[in-house]
Amino acid sequence: EDKVVQSPLSLVVHEGDTVTLNCSYEVTNFRSLLWYKQEKKAPTFLFMLTSSGIEKKSGRLSSILDKKELSSILNITATQTGDSAIYLCAVEGAASGTYKYIFGTGTRLKVLA
Amino acid sequence: DGGITQSPKYLFRKEGQNVTLSCEQNLNHDAMYWYRQDPGQGLRLIYYSQIVNDFQKGDIAEGYSVSREKKESFPLTVTSAQKNPTAFYLCATRDSNSPLHFGNGTRLTVT
Repeated sequence: EDKVVQSPLSLVVHEGDTVTLNCSYEVTNFRSLLWYKQEKKAPTFLFMLTSSGIEKKSGRLSSILDKKELSSILNITATQTGDSAIYLCAVEGAASGTYKYIFGTGTRLKVLA
Repeated sequence: DGGITQSPKYLFRKEGQNVTLSCEQNLNHDAMYWYRQDPGQGLRLIYYSQIVNDFQKGDIAEGYSVSREKKESFPLTVTSAQKNPTAFYLCATRDSNSPLHFGNGTRLTVT
């Protein structure tokens, strides 16, 4: 059965710290891996990683895909209280012939002032 | 996301009643999705539609129904057959190789 596992489940840090969130997957016919940030309502898109784009960076956030280890990390440097959110990892695969996204349970990050 | 409107934001119903959640988009995306989010379980796929007048069951379709009569609209009905309907429901769309775009969700409480 296809699955996506995120770790840790929750994390509390202080402003200025660097955090690394993990996402590992077992998905048939992998196509892409996505990271989202969810505060109160709609998840907002952060990065899409594919075989042709395994490293992405935007400001203090960066992400790497390791296709050999079937995993990805999301790094946040110099954390701020506004980074407090649930971070979701989703992997697109085709277990039954149709491509669908499978989501992990998320990592809840809390950044203290 | 300004292009995807879910309504209502909050919905309260008595057990045994059917309820319909609205999802409208003006992004001109072909594919639309319904997810359910429960604490500690991430997002789970209920139904999806890749073109008008066609839709497929996701991983947890039992107790739910959908229609896709227009490209812009993909309403979800939570029927009385759904055993644990209280949850946060998210509608999403996508186009070709783009990521999923989400609406702001509907929080349904059934008592």
